[in-house]
Amino acid sequence: GDSVTQMEGPVTLSEEAFLTINCTYTATGYPSLFWYVQYPGEGLQLLLKATKADDKGSNKGFEATYRKETTSFHLEKGSVQVSDSAVYFCALAGGTSYGKLTFGQGTILTVHP
Amino acid sequence: NAGVTQTPKFQVLKTGQSMTLQCAQDMNHEYMSWYRQDPGMGLRLIHYSVGAGITDQGEVPNGYNVSRSTTEDFPLRLLSAAPSQTSVYFCASSYIRTGGGYGYTFGSGTRLTVV
Repeated sequence: GDSVTQMEGPVTLSEEAFLTINCTYTATGYPSLFWYVQYPGEGLQLLLKATKADDKGSNKGFEATYRKETTSFHLEKGSVQVSDSAVYFCALAGGTSYGKLTFGQGTILTVHP
Repeated sequence: NAGVTQTPKFQVLKTGQSMTLQCAQDMNHEYMSWYRQDPGMGLRLIHYSVGAGITDQGEVPNGYNVSRSTTEDFPLRLLSAAPSQTSVYFCASSYIRTGGGYGYTFGSGTRLTVV
């Protein structure tokens, strides 16, 4: 079946540092890939998505590129802020997961001033 | 506002009690699903539905029932609550976009504690 693996957390950075959160997936066919963010005490928000190979999703300074050859969708941001502290989830849909999302385990990001 | 509405937001149950978590969407999405979120485990799929009258099990279905009598509603029933069902529950609706890809909308979640 489909699966998503995220880098182990938690990740702790200083403000203005560069962020990378690794995400790799296993799926048949051509899944859509997503990054969701969950701020403390809140629900899930879609951060960005990509629907086909080589697509780049971007939002709020975050970027991720759909790499089919390496089955990856790593999240990056050039300069993090304290307000980026949250839990980040990589997810996929499609493949054998038609109509439903398969999530990674989540990565906790804490940014210090 | 259009979206996915979950009720209640918080609930405390005693072991053995039953209850229904409500989920409604007004976007005419075909697909609906229920997830539970536990620390360090991400979100795991409980049940999902690809249309009215059609449901199927996800990764962790035991102890939960669902039905989908209308496109709009997808309630999740806990038959006999257990402490292991203490979690945050999210409902989502989704559709396939014209040209490919999926669109998902999540509810705000229900925090359930079983004592």
